[in-house]
Amino acid sequence: LAKTTQPISMDSYEGQEVNITCSHNNIATNDYITWYQQFPSQGPRFIIQGYKTKVTNEVASLFIPADRKSSTLSLPRVSLSDTAVYYCLVGVDWTSGSARQLTFGSGTQLTVLP
Amino acid sequence: DSGVTQTPKHLITATGQRVTLRCSPRSGDLSVYWYQQSLDQGLQFLIQYYNGEERAKGNILERFSAQQFPDLHSELNLSSLELGDSALYFCASSVSSSTNEKLFFGSGTQLSVL
Repeated sequence: LAKTTQPISMDSYEGQEVNITCSHNNIATNDYITWYQQFPSQGPRFIIQGYKTKVTNEVASLFIPADRKSSTLSLPRVSLSDTAVYYCLVGVDWTSGSARQLTFGSGTQLTVLP
Repeated sequence: DSGVTQTPKHLITATGQRVTLRCSPRSGDLSVYWYQQSLDQGLQFLIQYYNGEERAKGNILERFSAQQFPDLHSELNLSSLELGDSALYFCASSVSSSTNEKLFFGSGTQLSVL
């Protein structure tokens, strides 16, 4: 099982760029890397997904090195409303025959300060 | 709005009782996942169904059971409730059974066992 490791918490100030790194040393060939954001008492919300190199969307960028053993979620110019828990998730395609659970790690509590 | 509907939003019951949580996935989604989130445990994967069949099982207690019906809605049954079962229960759905799929989460059911 591809276990993920993230920092427990991070603090930042409004307007700064925040980078959250996730380690997944046992990532499998077919695994994608997906990041979710969760606000208190709400369900997690998809942010971004990638397989290799760099992916960018309207809210974040995801950097994945060649060995894919880690990934970095980059949030540009954070605001107070970005204060949330961020989860890194690594999964595998069922067609590979592996019974993989979609398990969330402990996540990173990001606190954006004024 | 994720398109995933969970009912009820809040549930208060007593120890020893049985409750049923209901989830309607997004239109077109065949997979349903159940997660439990308590204050000190993070998001715990319970069980996944795909098109009516159980696909993966996580840390689900024997007192808990789930099923997915032909119309694809799912129910999570919790019996012989204990104080420690108090938690936020989330349902998520995705198009396929692939763990690389983007998950869409409902707003959760807050269960309080008194």
